[in-house]
Order: sequence, then structure tokens, then C-alpha cells
Amino acid sequence: NAGVTQTPKFRVLKTGQSMTLLCAQDMNHEYMYWYRQDPGMGLRLIHYSVGEGTTAKGEVPDGYNVSRLKKQNFLLGLESAAPSQTSVYFCASSYSVWSGSYEQYFGPGTRLTVT
Amino acid sequence: AQSVAQPEDQVNVAEGNPLTVKCTYSVSGNPYLFWYVQYPNRGLQFLLKYITGDNLVKGSYGFEAEFNKSQTSFHLKKPSALVSDSALYFCAVRAPTGTASKLTFGTGTRLQVTL
Repeated sequence: NAGVTQTPKFRVLKTGQSMTLLCAQDMNHEYMYWYRQDPGMGLRLIHYSVGEGTTAKGEVPDGYNVSRLKKQNFLLGLESAAPSQTSVYFCASSYSVWSGSYEQYFGPGTRLTVT
Repeated sequence: AQSVAQPEDQVNVAEGNPLTVKCTYSVSGNPYLFWYVQYPNRGLQFLLKYITGDNLVKGSYGFEAEFNKSQTSFHLKKPSALVSDSALYFCAVRAPTGTASKLTFGTGTRLQVTL
């Protein structure tokens, strides 16, 4: 199993450009999450999804959109990138709460720089 | 709102000595607590969790953590540190209610193990 994969690994954008980050998981997890990691701030939840076709806002959703058209994929979009969105982005997935398993499994991250 | 505090930005320990990485939390109800480790340029890896039961939980790579409800703490411990344990460690908490396993992370503690 590949686990959680993310593409691309690195990206440099100019202010105002758009891009989509792709997350894929092969563990049949119901829940998926997008986080950003900034120095000294830990991980902050951007958006999450509890199932195919459903998404919800996390702690820092502004400037981002997400879609979950297939259970195994979770896309994070930046419509108009800003320098404040320079960060490392992590995708994670987990089983539903009904499984009794609550830990999340993380992808390797995407390092995004906005100039 | 739930929160996690990791009071030490960095912990230094000599190889072979015991290590402790501190974590305190705030959450309504009984907490679900987690420790993750992040090696350079990698995603987070799950180490261990406390959901219920024994206050001392054992996890991967010889790590363990002690849940203390009265002190609202969940400190990570290892009896004998290895140089290869050097990494960034995150504590996280989940509230016991809600349909999504949303985690709140601490800011991380860098563990440096030296010969």
C-alpha cells in the first residue's frame, strides 16, 4: 500500500496564480484532511471531509477551496495565491469515528512558495 | 475550544539517557490524545494514542506516554534515547464528540539526542 500520497512535492507560484494540490489514499479511509504547517505554529486544519461529496471548513479556510469527488482523493485549490500561503501542506486520512480508530495518517507534504 | 501546549521548543538529551517531552491539554470532556513524530522533510508519523484505559500507553520505537487527568498532561517518554530519535514531536488532542476526528496540534518540540 502506498498510504497517503501528495502531488506535487514542490511548487513555486507567483502572486495571483492558481493551483491544485492532489491527495490520494489507498486505505479506504472515510475522512480526509488538509493542514498547513508553519514554523512555530504546528499544524492547522484548513478543510476536511467526512465522506465523498462532503467538505467542511477547518481552522484556517480562507483563500482555499476543496473537493472530494471520489472517496480516495481530496483536492486543495488556491484560486489566487498570496505570499501568506507560503507553507508546507499536509494531507491526512483516517477511518470514521465508528471504527474506534482515531489516528490520522499523513502524506509526505507539499512545499509551496508564493513570490 | 480545545488546545495543546508543548512548553519546550527543544529538548536536549544524551544518548542512553531517559527523555521526556512535555504536553498539556485543554478539552471539554474526556480527551483523546496522540503523539506524532516528524523527521526532516517527511510527513507526520503516528507514535501512540490514549483513548481510555491504562494511563501508561506504549507505542512505536520504544516510546510511551503517561496520561495524567488531574494535571491535564500527556508527557512522552523513552527510557533510553537514541541519536535516531532526533526529530520534531507533536502532541495532539481530539474532543470526544463530533463526527470528524479533528485534531488540534501543539506547536511541536524538537528533540536533539547527542552522543
